[in-house]
Amino acid sequence: GEDVEQSLFLSVREGDSSVINCTYTDSSSTYLYWYKQEPGAGLQLLTYIFSNMDMKQDQRLTVLLNKKDKHLSLRIADTQTGDSAIYFCASRGGSQGNLIFGKGTKLSVKP
Amino acid sequence: GAGVSQTPSNKVTEKGKYVELRCDPISGHTALYWYRQSLGQGPEFLIYFQGTGAADDSGLPNDRFFAVRPEGSVSTLKIQRTERGDSAVYLCASSLGGTGSSTEAFFGQGTRLTVV
Repeated sequence: GEDVEQSLFLSVREGDSSVINCTYTDSSSTYLYWYKQEPGAGLQLLTYIFSNMDMKQDQRLTVLLNKKDKHLSLRIADTQTGDSAIYFCASRGGSQGNLIFGKGTKLSVKP
Repeated sequence: GAGVSQTPSNKVTEKGKYVELRCDPISGHTALYWYRQSLGQGPEFLIYFQGTGAADDSGLPNDRFFAVRPEGSVSTLKIQRTERGDSAVYLCASSLGGTGSSTEAFFGQGTRLTVV
């Protein structure tokens, strides 16, 4: 079946940039998403990118998409302690509405 | 309500029992999804409804799992003869559109099911 892979952990210092990477297998993915999950909380959509775009910027967040390599990244500028959470990459296929999630990257921000 | 509501928030049940988990989507959202998130994993797709019908139930792990959405709004996920391996957080999401749409899927807080 289709798959989404992410590294499991990332640790950065407050004020640095964080880059979380993701690869996916479904070449028909029309949209790719980044979700944030804080402890005990639900999933919050951070941003998404349409497959015909290669970059999207939204305040401190920058999403880069390399469709040829099926590689997606999320850059968080000026990372804050409040950004500590698990970040999930997800792809959405063209034929169905369901999302395929990676296992999540746990971001730890040290003061 | 303002968001997707799931009840109960926590459910502890004995192995072999039957459980029902409820999802109340955002009003007007035609698409509804159930996911299961095990510890340390990402959410895994279970079933997708468009209106009252299950458009895709390919993620249901076996025939002990069943879900309904009789009036196209509230959905119930039903698990028969629960097993310890069913322990997980069950997430529900809803969105305005379904296939081919970028509209955001709003997630509920989930129901934490523990089978003892």
